Amino acid sequence: EVQLVESGGGLVQPGGSLRLSCAASGFTFTDYTMHWVRQAPGKGLEYVSAIDPDGGNTYYANFVKDRFTISRDNSKNTLYLQMGSLRADDMAVYYCVRHDGWGSYDSWGQGILVTVSS
Amino acid sequence: DIVMTQSPLSLSVTLGQPASISCRSSQSLVHSDGNTFLSWFQQRPGQSPRRLIYKVSNRDSGVPDRFSGSGSGTDFTLKISRVEAEDVAVYYCMQGADWPSWTFGQGTKVEIK
Repeated sequence: EVQLVESGGGLVQPGGSLRLSCAASGFTFTDYTMHWVRQAPGKGLEYVSAIDPDGGNTYYANFVKDRFTISRDNSKNTLYLQMGSLRADDMAVYYCVRHDGWGSYDSWGQGILVTVSS
Repeated sequence: DIVMTQSPLSLSVTLGQPASISCRSSQSLVHSDGNTFLSWFQQRPGQSPRRLIYKVSNRDSGVPDRFSGSGSGTDFTLKISRVEAEDVAVYYCMQGADWPSWTFGQGTKVEIK
């Protein structure tokens, strides 16, 4: 069974940093591109970032470029999102998501809440 | 970015009656490889999204056959043939044609009348 378990969320002040982790299991992690998708409270879903299976290529939504860094440790089957210069509008539940290789997401984590507030 | 527009944004349906959600994209979702990358997701209250349909009309394993997807090009539809109580959720369409800037519709909230 595919499992994606996020951790590392919490309360951070505006301008602060936070690192999210996603522990993957139940599948061959190195076969899949992985994404982060977020959902602000009461709002819809929004692509944040993606990383190729070997970590060689990374991609970002415009609103997080130069502030967030996606990475992965394939030896630990873990995906990361380093978030910096956090703003109030970054407050959201962040989901770790598996790209199925066919233009879609086939597995989602339970999500982790990031709260940005002073 | 491709803009995805869903309608209606809210739907109140009697148990056992059908429901239909429309999703339109600002550009064709036909990929250069010939596939059309349009998916539908269900998000029940307090839960993570769950995919129901991929590549327009392919149902995921375990998804009841009362859910069906159709459409082409820029116009797509999710239909629930007979709404059940467990179908109360927000439904999102998503395009995966414009790598990596995949985008979602605004969501359609389905409730029981």
